[in-house]
Amino acid sequence: GQNIDQPTEMTATEGAIVQINCTYQTSGFNGLFWYQQHAGEAPTFLSYNVLDGLEEKGRFSSFLSRSKGYSYLLLKELQMKDSASYLCAGNTGGFKTIFGAGTRLFVKA
Amino acid sequence: DTGVSQDPRHKITKRGQNVTFRCDPISEHNRLYWYRQTLGQGPEFLTYFQNEAQLEKSRLLSDRFSAERPKGSFSTLEIQRTEQGDSAMYLCASSYLGQGRYNEQFFGPGTRLTVL
Repeated sequence: GQNIDQPTEMTATEGAIVQINCTYQTSGFNGLFWYQQHAGEAPTFLSYNVLDGLEEKGRFSSFLSRSKGYSYLLLKELQMKDSASYLCAGNTGGFKTIFGAGTRLFVKA
Repeated sequence: DTGVSQDPRHKITKRGQNVTFRCDPISEHNRLYWYRQTLGQGPEFLTYFQNEAQLEKSRLLSDRFSAERPKGSFSTLEIQRTEQGDSAMYLCASSYLGQGRYNEQFFGPGTRLTVL
């Protein structure tokens, strides 16, 4: 199978840093996506990692370790508008995308 | 607006009726995906097309679901003999798969189906 596991919910404070973890079975995926989804809206692309290591894009960074089946999304300088669900998704060799259930992040003042 | 569009945005139907949804992808995108999403879950893969060819269909789908992309542009998703368990948000996404690209998907706003 191609299971993806993420925490269900997280809470963090405005201005802080939060790390959202994602673990997956190592077989079958050739890259990891992170998408953001606000309540009632469609997912929007944040990042994609195909090689091991950290990819930084503004306040958001994403890390991948293929041997460990592990990825994380790091959000810095949290803002209230970052309250959303964050979806980890695996890219299969046939370019089908398998999504995790998502982590709901609540940013409090 | 050059994004992915879906129609209708909301559909309420009675159990046993057939429904059809339409998705218009971004014009130069050759891949089109259908997902189903229920509250608190991530998008669940249903099927996808490359141009007009349907490359894969989820084993989770029963024979009541069918999708087409007749000219490699817009796509339709039909659900026959709807059941209450079909109530969900149906999301369409498109991407351009080409050399050097990694299949970033752009999602439409979704069609929310309620089966009474």
